[in-house]
This record gives sequence, structure tokens and C-alpha cells, in this order.
Amino acid sequence: QQQVKQSPQSLIVQKGGIPIINCAYENTAFDYFPWYQQFPGKGPALLIAIRPDVSEKKEGRFTISFNKSAKQFSLHIMDSQPGDSATYFCAAIIRGTSYGKLTFGQGTILTVHP
Amino acid sequence: DADVTQTPRNRITKTGKRIMLECSQTKGHDRMYWYRQDPGLGLRLIYYSFDVKDINKGEISDGYSVSRQAQAKFSLSLESAIPNQTALYFCATSDTDRGNQPQHFGDGTRLSIL
Repeated sequence: QQQVKQSPQSLIVQKGGIPIINCAYENTAFDYFPWYQQFPGKGPALLIAIRPDVSEKKEGRFTISFNKSAKQFSLHIMDSQPGDSATYFCAAIIRGTSYGKLTFGQGTILTVHP
Repeated sequence: DADVTQTPRNRITKTGKRIMLECSQTKGHDRMYWYRQDPGLGLRLIYYSFDVKDINKGEISDGYSVSRQAQAKFSLSLESAIPNQTALYFCATSDTDRGNQPQHFGDGTRLSIL
């Protein structure tokens, strides 16, 4: 059972475009939503994260938009660059010492053409 | 030096063989995880350990076993490898005191079973 659904599976944009990756979750107990970025040959690394009491968070060119009522969140990459080409995973977690397990989306392969 | 080190980085083996993948970390984190990554499926949790005496099954533990030899070492074994265990395997760590985020990943082991 996939508790976090991510789309699209792949995305191609031109340099300067604004790719948008969407995720939807089912478990309302999730209370932290990180995005991980993975380059070829490397493990995923935390990119940006949001809590459900916040509707938007920006870090540099990366923005998360969060819609708690719809149980959806999305990643926007402003002024995308070829160096942003990577696989992006959304995830969800119930924080706290008793849990700590990440549930990942299926991943989106982003290609930014020069 | 990498904070989370996985060995080997690549392995090709035959059906029925026993295989061990090793993970060591220098981050001093209590929690360690094993994931497998398959195209279109994201990362799925195999096993996780909250401390040396605590081992828990993840969502896809069948056919796998783990050993937490020390706080810094967590190994994954495939007792009798089968072709559908061909995948990219990642070890990760997290700090309990920081609410289990972020998780820090190694660079993965690419395992092929013929």
C-alpha cells in the first residue's frame, strides 16, 4: 500500500523553467514532509522540508506548497538549472521517538535542458 | 571521508547465494535503516534499528535479515538470493534527539542477481 503518491514519474524542462512535482498522502498522522534530492551514483539527501502547520516554505530556488485539507504538497523549482537534474522524492514521517520511519513517494526524474 | 559508508558498491552474484551488505557510520546516530530502491517504486524500508538491541521489520523484510553489530554498524543479508532482489540498496542513519530528521544516506550498493 503506497501511502504517499508522487507524480509525474519523469519531467523534462528547459533551463529557466519551473518544474512542479506533486505528492498526495493518506495518513493524517504524518507531521513532517521532507523532500530528498538524489544525483546519479549517490544516496538521497535532504533538500527542504515542511510541517503541516505551514502552507509554504522557500529555501533559495526551492519552494514547498502544502495543502493540509487536500492532503497534498508540491515542490516548485524556480529558474531551474541543468545542475538541478536529479531524482526527487517526496516523503512523509511521523516524528517522535516511537516512530521515525520515512514513507517515500515513487520518485520523479527531472531533466533540465540547457 | 563519507559519514555513511556502504560496502560493496557493486555486486553481481548468482541465484541461491548468500550475500551480506555492510554499512558503517561515523555520525554517532542511534538509528539505522536499510532501504531498497526500484524504478517507479521509490525507496522501500526493509529493516530498521533504533539502537543496538532493537531490530524491526519494515514493509518488505521477507527474504532479508539484518544484524546490528555495534552502534556504528548495520549489515543486511540475503540468505538465498533471488533475481527479484536485484535492486539498489541504501543504508541510512538518523538522530533520535533531532526527531529522526534528516536521514543521512550512504551512496548505495548496486546488487545484481543472475
